Amino acid sequence: QVHLVQSGAEMKKPGASVKVSCKASGYDFTNFGISWVRQAPGQGLEWMGWISAYTGITNYAENFQGRITLTTETSTTTAYMELRSLTFDDTAVYYCARRTSVTTLCMDVWGQGTTVTVSS
Amino acid sequence: DIQMTQSPSSLSASVGDRVTITCRASQSISNFLNWYQQKPGRAPKSLIYSASNLQSGVPSRFSGSASGTDFTLTISSLQPEDFATYYCQQSFNTPWTFGQGTKVEIK
Repeated sequence: QVHLVQSGAEMKKPGASVKVSCKASGYDFTNFGISWVRQAPGQGLEWMGWISAYTGITNYAENFQGRITLTTETSTTTAYMELRSLTFDDTAVYYCARRTSVTTLCMDVWGQGTTVTVSS
Repeated sequence: DIQMTQSPSSLSASVGDRVTITCRASQSISNFLNWYQQKPGRAPKSLIYSASNLQSGVPSRFSGSASGTDFTLTISSLQPEDFATYYCQQSFNTPWTFGQGTKVEIK
C-alpha cells in the first residue's frame, strides 16, 4: 500500500527556515515525482512546486522562487521541502503528494500534512 | 498563470440528491483537470484525474466530464460521507492551480 508520512508540526520565528520531510513507501520511489502543496488556515490549496525523484529536476511556483528548495534522498525514499525567510503568512499546513506520470499528471496519494506555525 | 473558477462556492444538499460542481479554466487545458475531496482536518483525497477517470477505490457515484474549458464533477446520489470541500486543479501548465473550492453542506 502506498503511503506518504510527513514529519511533525513545527513552530518557527519570523526569518527562520523550516524543513519538512515526506517518507514514501509501497511503490518504486524513482518512478514518480513529489509535489508540495500548502493550505493556510481557512484557505484553499496552493501548489508550491515539484521534484522528480528520478532526475532531481525541480519546478517551483514563482511565489516561492528563491525561498524554497525541494530535494529527495533515494536511499531512504524521502523527500524534503525547505522554506526559508519565513513570515507570518507562511503559517499553513504543508502537504506532500505523489505526482503521477506525464500522461495523467495528478497528485494521487497525499501525506497527512505538517503544520508549520510562524510566531514571534 | 491559468485561473480556475469553481461554482458554486458552497451548496446545501440532502442525502440522495444529485450534486453538480463546475470548474472553468481561463484557457484551454485539454483534459488535464483533476478533482479532490477534502474533509475538515484531513489531507485532500484524489477523486478523478484527466477530467473523467475515477481513481481506484472511489465510488462510482462520482463522475467527471469536460466540455471545452468547462469541467463538471457530479455526485449522482449524495451520501453522508460526501459532505466535504471539493477542489478542481489543472495540471496542463505550471504553476498547477486550484479552484477556490466548493463546500458541500448538509441541508
